[in-house]
Amino acid sequence: QVQLVQSGAEVKQPGASVKVSCKASGYIFTNNYMHWVRQAPGQGLEWVGLVSPSGDGTRYAQKFQGRVTMTRDTSRSIDYMEVTSLTSDDTAVYYCVRDSQSGWFSPDYWGQGTLVTVSS
Amino acid sequence: QSVLTQPASVSGSPGQSITISCTGTSSDIGRFDHVSWFQQHPGKAPQLMLFDVGNRPSGVSNRFSGSKSGNTASLTISGLQADDEADYYCSSYTTSGPYVFGTGTTVTVL
Repeated sequence: QVQLVQSGAEVKQPGASVKVSCKASGYIFTNNYMHWVRQAPGQGLEWVGLVSPSGDGTRYAQKFQGRVTMTRDTSRSIDYMEVTSLTSDDTAVYYCVRDSQSGWFSPDYWGQGTLVTVSS
Repeated sequence: QSVLTQPASVSGSPGQSITISCTGTSSDIGRFDHVSWFQQHPGKAPQLMLFDVGNRPSGVSNRFSGSKSGNTASLTISGLQADDEADYYCSSYTTSGPYVFGTGTTVTVL
């Protein structure tokens, strides 16, 4: 069965960086795009970016350009998302989300989420 | 990057139909038929309900339907049930994005 298992919660100081991992299993990792979506406490969903199946292509939301890097280790079936220059506004649950590719942005599996707390 | 605009809340009685709107611009909903809808129960990860405007993933009830007119997409839930009480989010492909979410709508079953 498909599983996306994310790394544990993180607490970071303002200005620091965080790297969240997403370990995939139960399917051919290089067949699907992976998105990252975040949700601040009590707030709505926000699309952060995506990585291509082979890992050689990424797209990021404009507001994260230059501050987010998504990478893929295809040998280990792990996706990574690094966010730099953290502020309190980055406090959120970050999800990795597999795209089924049935259509455009048609996610079928979500990771359990990783809470990133930015606080001094 | 603008978000898509949804009503904050919509309510209905069991068995009724409700419609949630999602308003964008000519750079997103108005240009592309790539609108998705998600349902999120409290404390849970979102679940895809519709993609590409009106397509349902396997396992999603046919009580959920979608449409689009101009810059506005809509999700209709017919035969409202207690379990439909949740937050709903639309998303769209966009020229500047590539993807953007709506502001979210809380559905209450009276």
